[in-house]
Parts: sequence; C-alpha cells; structure tokens
Amino acid sequence: DAGVIQSPRHEVTEMGQEVTLRCKPISGHNSLFWYRQTMMRGLELLIYFNNNVPIDDSGMPEDRFSAKMPNASFSTLKIQPSEPRDSAVYFCASMLWTGSYEQYFGPGTRLTVT
Amino acid sequence: DQQVKQNSPSLSVQEGRISILNCDYTNSMFDYFLWYKKYPAEGPTFLISISSIKDKNEDGRFTVFLNKSAKHLSLHIVPSQPGDSAVYFCAASGSSNTGKLIFGQGTTLQVKP
Repeated sequence: DAGVIQSPRHEVTEMGQEVTLRCKPISGHNSLFWYRQTMMRGLELLIYFNNNVPIDDSGMPEDRFSAKMPNASFSTLKIQPSEPRDSAVYFCASMLWTGSYEQYFGPGTRLTVT
Repeated sequence: DQQVKQNSPSLSVQEGRISILNCDYTNSMFDYFLWYKKYPAEGPTFLISISSIKDKNEDGRFTVFLNKSAKHLSLHIVPSQPGDSAVYFCAASGSSNTGKLIFGQGTTLQVKP
C-alpha cells in the first residue's frame, strides 16, 4: 500500500492567490481528516469526512478555506484568497473507522504564502 | 482553548536513560488517548494508545500511563535511543464515535548518544 498521498509537497505562492492541496487516502479507508500544523498551535483539525460526507468543519479558520471529497479516493483543501498567516504544513490523514482511532497521515504539504 | 496540552516544548535525555513525555487534558469526556511520533518532513505515525478503562499500556520500550483523576497521561521510553529523537504528539478522542482526535502542540525529544 502506498499510504496517504499528498500533493504538492511544497507550495510557494503570493498573497491573494488560490491554493489547492490534494489528498489521496488509503484505499478502503472511510474517514479522511485535514490538519494544519503550526509552531504556536500544533496540529489543528480543520475538517473531516466520513464516507465522503463532511462531518465537522468547525476547525476551518474562515470562509477562505473550503474542502471537498467528491469520491472515496480524492479530497481537496482550497484556500482562496491565500494570506501569509496561512503558511503552515497541511496534513491529510485517513482511517478505517472500526472503533480504532489510529489515523494514517500523509507526508504533508508545506505552504508558504509571501 | 487547548483541550490537550503538552507543556514541555522540548526534552533532552541521554541515550539509555528514560524519557518521560507528559500530556494534560481538560475534557473529562475523552475516553481514548494516543501518542504519535513525527520525524522531520514526514507525517505523524501512530505509536501507542490507551483506553480510559486502563491505567497502563505497554509495547516494548514504550509505556503509556493514564491518570484519569488528574487528567494526565505520560509516555515513558526505556531505554531511550538516538532514533527516538522526534516530535511526540499526544491526542485524545472526543468520544463522539467518529474517530475525531484532538492533538496537543507536541514535544520535541532529543536523545543524545
């Protein structure tokens, strides 16, 4: 199994531009999570999906952030317009929800907004 | 409002000695706790977990202790090895039966040869 795949691994963009982060979860997993890691706040949950349906988006910072999961093998996190304070590492994680809480993380996307 | 807190940003220990990483939580409804380990440029990986019905879980060199009355858990690594140098995240389940986890800020462990 290839594990959770995220692209791009690094993204540098200018303030005001649209940024799209992509995630392919592990095949057969039915839950998908988007996290943001910063020095100040650690790992913050932004949004998660169960069976492709968004369950809790209370962690999404503001309307500039949106996430979709059109099918079981693909999800996107979009920031439009991007701001310098969005600079962080964004992780996607997936899990097969069977009562275990073990999530499998991708390698992350390091976003820099100048 | 940090429901899961790791108050020590960093910890340095000598190879062969014990490493103790601490984590505090505020929500008494949390019923499952996990530790994740993260190397630079990689995603976190699961290390060990404990259910609230237990007070100790052991897996090789790693032991997690849970003190529910104090809302405190700790991870012990014995003996510590240089390869254990990483960031360790504590996480808690919100008992919402959805798999959602709340993570702490992380503690960077350095094990010196």
